[in-house]
Amino acid sequence: RKEVEQDPGPFNVPEGATVAFNCTYSNSASQSFFWYRQDCRKEPKLLMSVYSSGNEDGRFTAQLNRASQYISLLIRDSKLSDSATYLCVVQPDSWGKLQFGAGTQVVVTP
Amino acid sequence: ETGVTQSPTHLIKTRGQQVTLRCSSQSGHNTVSWYQQALGQGPQFIFQYYREEENGRGNFPPRFSGLQFPNYSSELNVNALELDDSALYLCASSQDGEGTIYFGEGSWLTVV
Repeated sequence: RKEVEQDPGPFNVPEGATVAFNCTYSNSASQSFFWYRQDCRKEPKLLMSVYSSGNEDGRFTAQLNRASQYISLLIRDSKLSDSATYLCVVQPDSWGKLQFGAGTQVVVTP
Repeated sequence: ETGVTQSPTHLIKTRGQQVTLRCSSQSGHNTVSWYQQALGQGPQFIFQYYREEENGRGNFPPRFSGLQFPNYSSELNVNALELDDSALYLCASSQDGEGTIYFGEGSWLTVV
């Protein structure tokens, strides 16, 4: 079983719509959780950290469910510029060794 | 701009050759991690260096080796290159393994 699993998509989303997707992780003792965004052939960039209480950053909302070991990301009012691959990332301990999912591709269409 | 720089950005090697990739961490960052990202996959952790010592290793064979220098820059060396080593190699830096982790733009390696 992979350490972090994601639906690869693609999620084809009309501009202005809402899209949500999840990932699951296998290590229940994992400490920190993130969503990274990766554009084609570029490095991953931190989108947001994910907290158990849920957190928002503008149009983006992330949620962590430790009991079920899944993380979600919701994008409201999708923009064309949101088209990217979204990587679910788990940090199992305090030493910055990240475990990545394979990514969920989002394509926002006009 | 993350302050993490990698070189070279692109290179092509022949199967069986050796390659060295370089990373300069963000100023003051003493922890450097290396990741391999094959096409269509997420990055996979290769190893981490903290203050010039290896501080953890992923599931990669010994022909993947590394170094960290006193200025905290780092090298990734891969011997006996295989076709499956073709990937984007990413360097990430942080301070004491904590806080925000910054990625470089990566080195694209093609093995033919």
